Amino acid sequence: QSVLTQPPSVSGAPGQRVTISCTGSRSNIGAGYDVHWYQQFPGTAPKLLIYGNNNRPSGVPDRFSGSKSGTSASLAITGLQAEDEADYYCQSFDGRLRIFGTGTKVTVL
Amino acid sequence: QVQLQESGPGLVKPSGTLSLTCAVSGGYITSINWWSWVRQPPGRGLEWIGEIYQTGTTNYNPSLMSRVTMSVDKSKNQFSLKLTSVTAADTAVYYCARNVEPAFQFDHWGQGALVTVSS
Repeated sequence: QSVLTQPPSVSGAPGQRVTISCTGSRSNIGAGYDVHWYQQFPGTAPKLLIYGNNNRPSGVPDRFSGSKSGTSASLAITGLQAEDEADYYCQSFDGRLRIFGTGTKVTVL
Repeated sequence: QVQLQESGPGLVKPSGTLSLTCAVSGGYITSINWWSWVRQPPGRGLEWIGEIYQTGTTNYNPSLMSRVTMSVDKSKNQFSLKLTSVTAADTAVYYCARNVEPAFQFDHWGQGALVTVSS
C-alpha cells in the first residue's frame, strides 16, 4: 500500500523552529495532488492543521506553515510551544486512495 | 458547526461483521461533500477505509475493498460502515470524517469509536 514517509520523531526547545518532512512519490505528491496536515493529541481525533499544501483553517496559529516541492512536503512550526507536543500526520491522494503519512511525534524539550 | 458522532458495538467476534454509523449534525449529508471512514489501530497510524457521496457513490481502499460496504441514509442524515470477516487486525479506533472539495481534506472528524475484535 502506498504510504507517505515521515520521521518518527522530532524535538525542539520552546521558541525553536522544527520541520517535519513528508516524502511521497510520483504517484501521489509528485503527481500534483494536494498535501494536508493533521495534529493529534493522545486519545483525541485528528484536527486539520494545513490544507491544500499551505493554507491554514480559521483558528490555526500562523506559527504553523506548510510547503510542497516535487515529491515531498513539509510542515514547519516556528516558535515552538509546549502545547504543540502532539502527533502530526500528512495526507494526500494516490490516484485510487487517500493516503496518510506514517506520523511524527513532536516533543517539546 | 458540523458535528459527527460514531456509534455501534464496541466488541465484535472474529469472523463477524463490524457495523458503525456516523450521525451528522449542524449540516446536511446532502451537501457537496464526501463522507469518509478512517481507522487507527492502537498505538499506530491512520488508515483511510473509504468514502461515500450523497448519491451512494463510493470509493474504497483497495486493501479492504472485498470486505467493506458503505451506505448513506439521507432521511436520518447519517452514513454507515460495514466490515465483514473481521480479525484481531481490525481492532482500532474508527473515525468518521467529512472531506471537502476541491482538495478533499478531512475538515471535520467524529470523536472516534474503539472497536475490539475478540472472542
